[in-house]
Amino acid sequence: DIQMTQSPTSLSASVGDRVTITCRASQRIDIYLNWYQQKPGKAPKLLIYAASSLQSGVPSRFSGSGSGTDFTLTINNLQPEDFATYYCQVSYRVPLVTFGGGTKVEVK
Amino acid sequence: QVQLVQSGGGVVQPGGSVRLSCAASGFTFSNFGMHWVRQAPGRGLEWVAFIRYDGSDKFYPDSVKGRFAVSRDNSKTTLYLHLNDLRPEDTAIYYCARYKVENSYYYCMDVWGEGTTVTVSS
Repeated sequence: DIQMTQSPTSLSASVGDRVTITCRASQRIDIYLNWYQQKPGKAPKLLIYAASSLQSGVPSRFSGSGSGTDFTLTINNLQPEDFATYYCQVSYRVPLVTFGGGTKVEVK
Repeated sequence: QVQLVQSGGGVVQPGGSVRLSCAASGFTFSNFGMHWVRQAPGRGLEWVAFIRYDGSDKFYPDSVKGRFAVSRDNSKTTLYLHLNDLRPEDTAIYYCARYKVENSYYYCMDVWGEGTTVTVSS
């Protein structure tokens, strides 16, 4: 099974900050990596697929990068509505799915 | 609009069973594989089941294999998850999600239901 390790597990930031979250796969997964945002009491929302492609309707301050085993989600100019938990997810051995442990972005 | 509306769940005794439903609308349900994902209280996301667009194949992680069963009725555009032999650790919010392919290769869960809660307790 492919394991996904996200870091940090939580971080504190202020509005306007640049935030970076990383996800590491236990084996090479090309760019079969997605990112989701989840707010309390809500379902996850797809932000980025194929490591760097922005889902329709997602603000351009969100970006993704990486390939192989190391991936990054970056939020530029953090907005109040961006305080949430973020998950990476691998879809390398379709349809098997693995999620990272999540990163909670909190207000500093 | 494209949406998934969930129902079912509730409080179930250990060893009991429950069926969750996920009604799809706004898209051609029979063209898409579907997942179930759960989230235990205060925990992360855990994948629990997948069914192909036509119901021909089903996949589960070891944690629920043999106890959970996913099914679908394309004529009713509805997805189901049957949870059997429930344990306290199955207590979670259960989400259904559409599995979409982008650029022919890259799969992602692009539409999610609102979630339904299952609590396993005596």
